Amino acid sequence: QVQLKESGPGLVQPSQTLSLTCTVSGFSLTSNSVHWVRQPPGKGLEWVGAIWSGGSTDYNSALKSRLSISRDTSKSQVFLKMNSLQTEDTAIYFCTRWSLDYGFAYWGQGTLVTVSS
Amino acid sequence: EIVLTQSPTTMTASPGEKVTITCRASSSVSYMHWYQQKPGASPKPWIYETSKLASGVPDRFSGSGSGTSYSLTINNMEAEDAATYYCQQWNYPWTFGGGTKLELK
Repeated sequence: QVQLKESGPGLVQPSQTLSLTCTVSGFSLTSNSVHWVRQPPGKGLEWVGAIWSGGSTDYNSALKSRLSISRDTSKSQVFLKMNSLQTEDTAIYFCTRWSLDYGFAYWGQGTLVTVSS
Repeated sequence: EIVLTQSPTTMTASPGEKVTITCRASSSVSYMHWYQQKPGASPKPWIYETSKLASGVPDRFSGSGSGTSYSLTINNMEAEDAATYYCQQWNYPWTFGGGTKLELK
């Protein structure tokens, strides 16, 4: 079955770089797009960015200068890197599979990232 | 960027009550997706393409709308429906509504 699982450090210091991994199973990254969505504690959902089946990427314009999404199809992994982290980047980060018909039909469990010294 | 405005932000409903949550878009969109999220859990797909129920969603839920105005309706509120609901559009950049927290009275 389709599964996504996020992993990464729970704590990042301000101004440092965040690196997250989304490991997927049950589908191919070369046939599906994977997006990142984040949710600050107690707040709503914010789209972060995406990597498409062909390998191209799209980013939230507010984060674009700090953000990079890449993948390793042989390992079924998608990577998020965000630099110059600030406290407002504290959030649960979800990876999710997108389809035009069904929307974000599959989600990982999310990983909490706290930016603090 | 298309801004989605949900109303109300929070609401309470009694068992058996009819509930309507609205989502207004700043520009016309082709259709809307909806998600349900409970505390400590990931969002779940709930309604896709405006009116189609995701797998396992009770048929007391329905979705409708077009252009800039969409809604999610629950006929006969049940305790398990208490959650936060988000609308979402897919024109780049993808955006979500701010969420509607539905509580049981």
